[in-house]
Amino acid sequence: VQLVESGGGLVQPGGSLRLSCAASGFTFVDYDMHWVRQAPGKGLEWVAGIENAGDAYYPDSVKGRFTISRENVKRYLYLQMDSLRVGDTAVYYCARDFGGGLDPWGQGTLVTVSS
Amino acid sequence: EIVLTQSPATLSLSPGESATLSCRASQSIASYLAWYQKKVGQAPRLLISDASNRAIGIPARFSGSGSGTDFTLTITSLEPEDSAVYYCQQRSNWPRNTFGGGTTVEIK
Repeated sequence: VQLVESGGGLVQPGGSLRLSCAASGFTFVDYDMHWVRQAPGKGLEWVAGIENAGDAYYPDSVKGRFTISRENVKRYLYLQMDSLRVGDTAVYYCARDFGGGLDPWGQGTLVTVSS
Repeated sequence: EIVLTQSPATLSLSPGESATLSCRASQSIASYLAWYQKKVGQAPRLLISDASNRAIGIPARFSGSGSGTDFTLTITSLEPEDSAVYYCQQRSNWPRNTFGGGTTVEIK
């Protein structure tokens, strides 16, 4: 079971970025998936979740700016991030929801929002 | 919104000692609580699901207990590799997740 994120990088405030998460080793379509981030020196923060059928959920901090999606056939999870702010700077992780917790997690991809 | 408060913020213990970490929810979450270990430069690792179920591959030194609003993660016979930040996560209003602020465990 493996999750591999990609797509992080440096972006200016107000810009956009799309993160990808490639899943392997399990039946992707059977699981809900999430994105969780950790800002420098801070704790873990949930930023988006998507059910296997496609319903998506967000906390207020990113609602209207971030969009989670998935391609079950390709076994990919995505996070489209628009109107990025300096406060969105963080390592972003994708994680599988197996029902009792999030496991496993990817290695993370760093997003830096700075001018 | 359900808020999770973890205490203490930091624990400094010697190898072989036991650590007791607390997580308190602002309202009842039944047993919908998970615990994670986070080391610098590594992805979080699931330790405990549903308050007391140890994840696959997690040593028996790690145990979870509690229900309702008060939960505990206990680590016995501490080893140097246990140095990490430990987070609790509530899943009561799934799929919306909330994490606690974390407890740092330092091994002297």
